[in-house]
Amino acid sequence: KNQVEQSPQSLIILEGKNCTLQCNYTVSPFSNLRWYKQDTGRGPVSLTIMTFSENTKSNGRYTATLDADTKQSSLHITASQLSDSASYICVVIRGNQGGKLIFGQGTELSVKP
Amino acid sequence: DTEVTQTPKHLVMGMTNKKSLKCEQHMGHRAMYWYKQKAKKPPELMFVYSYEKLSINESVPSRFSPECPNSSLLNLHLHALQPEDSALYLCASSPQGGDYGYTFGSGTRLTVV
Repeated sequence: KNQVEQSPQSLIILEGKNCTLQCNYTVSPFSNLRWYKQDTGRGPVSLTIMTFSENTKSNGRYTATLDADTKQSSLHITASQLSDSASYICVVIRGNQGGKLIFGQGTELSVKP
Repeated sequence: DTEVTQTPKHLVMGMTNKKSLKCEQHMGHRAMYWYKQKAKKPPELMFVYSYEKLSINESVPSRFSPECPNSSLLNLHLHALQPEDSALYLCASSPQGGDYGYTFGSGTRLTVV
């Protein structure tokens, strides 16, 4: 079954601290994996897109990793800011599926002052 | 222009009303999508248009009626909705195939009273 599982479900950290969010997937065939940030009541915004051959990709304070062998990805946030409070969604695109996205349930991150 | 624009941002409608949600993109994308998202859940695919033709309908009730007048516009016509249809409705677009360049709009927050 094609699934994307994220952990933790929610996370509270203090401003300035780092954190890492996890994503495990069983999607096949695999095309690419994306991390999205979604503020409450707003559309998801893409943070990173990773293909099968990419191990690490950074976007400012966000660094995503991908291990295609173990089918695991992580999103590391450095020096968190209050504005990082949001839902972070891991999405896997199935190959040859014309845009079929498989969504994780998301990790709700809350950054406190 | 790298955006997907949705209007209105908020909509409150009665169960006997008829309203429409609009989505526009000028990135030359030939695939457009409607998603429904309930609070603290991932988006659920409703419809996919490919080259202005409906290619996927995920068994959505007929009270939701999509329309793609041209390659830049996507509408969602609403009629006789139920309170449980209240949700964030997201539009997205992608180049044909959807593997890269998948972009979400900021959404329409719909409340049915």
